[in-house]
Amino acid sequence: GENVEQHPSTLSVQEGDSAVIKCTYSDSASNYFPWYKQELGKGPQLIIDIRSNVGEKKDQRIAVTLNKTAKHFSLHITETQPEDSAVYFCAAKKTPSYMKTSYDKVIFGPGTSLSVIP
Amino acid sequence: GAVVSQHPSWVICKSGTSVKIECRSLDFQATTMFWYRQFPKQSLMLMATSNEGSKATYEQGVEKDKFLINHASLTLSTLTVTSAHPEDSSFYICSAREPRGADTEAFFGQGTRLTVV
Repeated sequence: GENVEQHPSTLSVQEGDSAVIKCTYSDSASNYFPWYKQELGKGPQLIIDIRSNVGEKKDQRIAVTLNKTAKHFSLHITETQPEDSAVYFCAAKKTPSYMKTSYDKVIFGPGTSLSVIP
Repeated sequence: GAVVSQHPSWVICKSGTSVKIECRSLDFQATTMFWYRQFPKQSLMLMATSNEGSKATYEQGVEKDKFLINHASLTLSTLTVTSAHPEDSSFYICSAREPRGADTEAFFGQGTRLTVV
């Protein structure tokens, strides 16, 4: 089955600097890659996602890149702010091409704890 | 995005009792909901997929008789932890996906912190 790895496990940056979190996946058939932000005691919140037919996507200070050949995808946060401090999870999902179903699973990476120091 | 509400946000129960957690999609109909378990400082582990009108699909290693899932309507799924023990203490999170097709993101509830004493 799919396996998602994520690095680093912890990351501290100064306010205003950039933060980069990298993930790899094992199943080349995975075609949807969401990123979630989880604050303490809360559920994950989708912050950005990318599909396999796109190499890069940007939304204000957040960008995600995907390298299908290498099976790598990364999250880039620019101009970090203290409120960006949270745990970030990458994930991968495979949508079967032969049937449309909602039974596909989202496999999560182990998470990165980001601390933005004021 | 769509809103998924989970209730309660936290619960403390005695060992041996059962606890029910509700997951509601507030502004959309969800034919499929997912239940996750998260231990401190760990990732989310999928427990089961809840399908409206049919039996849930459990992940390997998850006891279906211990974690009862009922998806009674298009907006409500419940997870009942039966005969709870301290090792069941965890953060339980549900998610729901709009029935626009499989290639859509899922929205997560705020989670339920279960403590069994």
